[in-house]
Amino acid sequence: QLQLQESGPGLVKPSETLSLTCSVSGGSITSSTTNYWGWIRQPPGKGLFWIGSIYHAGSTYYNPSLRSRLTLSVDTSKNQFSLKLSSVTAADTAVYYCVRDQRILTGYRGFTLNWFDPWGQGTLVTVSS
Amino acid sequence: EIVLTQSPGTLSLSPGERATLSCRTSQSISTSYLAWYQQKPGQAPRLLIYGASDRATGIPDRFSGSGSGTDFTLTISSLEPEDSAVYYCQQYSTSPSMYTFGQGTKLEIK
Repeated sequence: QLQLQESGPGLVKPSETLSLTCSVSGGSITSSTTNYWGWIRQPPGKGLFWIGSIYHAGSTYYNPSLRSRLTLSVDTSKNQFSLKLSSVTAADTAVYYCVRDQRILTGYRGFTLNWFDPWGQGTLVTVSS
Repeated sequence: EIVLTQSPGTLSLSPGERATLSCRTSQSISTSYLAWYQQKPGQAPRLLIYGASDRATGIPDRFSGSGSGTDFTLTISSLEPEDSAVYYCQQYSTSPSMYTFGQGTKLEIK
């Protein structure tokens, strides 16, 4: 059974870079062409926000609102993928989840089925001096 | 960017009742791009429905999804106490390639 686990500092100072890693167990990060790997965050008491996704071969998909500050990468040798968000402010305080971003071709007009499953347990990152 | 609007914001119902949660998209989308999640306090969201109407593995059949175009619905046919949670819809768009979520509906079981 595929499992994801986030790791990284729980406290980051304003203007610095937030770095998180997601370790994937129970399966290879390169095992399927339908598996992409993503990050979603949730500010305390608020809703879900998609940050971005990456394919194991390196293709990246970023939320336009974070594109200028965001870097996603993948380390296939460690079965991990990572997030770096630069120049953070208090608005970046959130629980950060890593997810499998599943994209399956339906065979109809190029449409895909898209969903996030499984999710990591989430890690709270606070931006504060 | 496609905006998802969920209604109602909060729903308070009794066990055994039927819950109907709405998700409206600002543009018509393929049903294949619409999913629903359940989130309980202190937990990560859990996938319920993908492709607008397909239940994820292990999801009870009292959960069902329907809709097309810009209007989608999550129905819980007979509420159980453990269904108390926040429910989110999610859509995928291709241009640009990105995801957005609705703001959530909080379901309270009396």
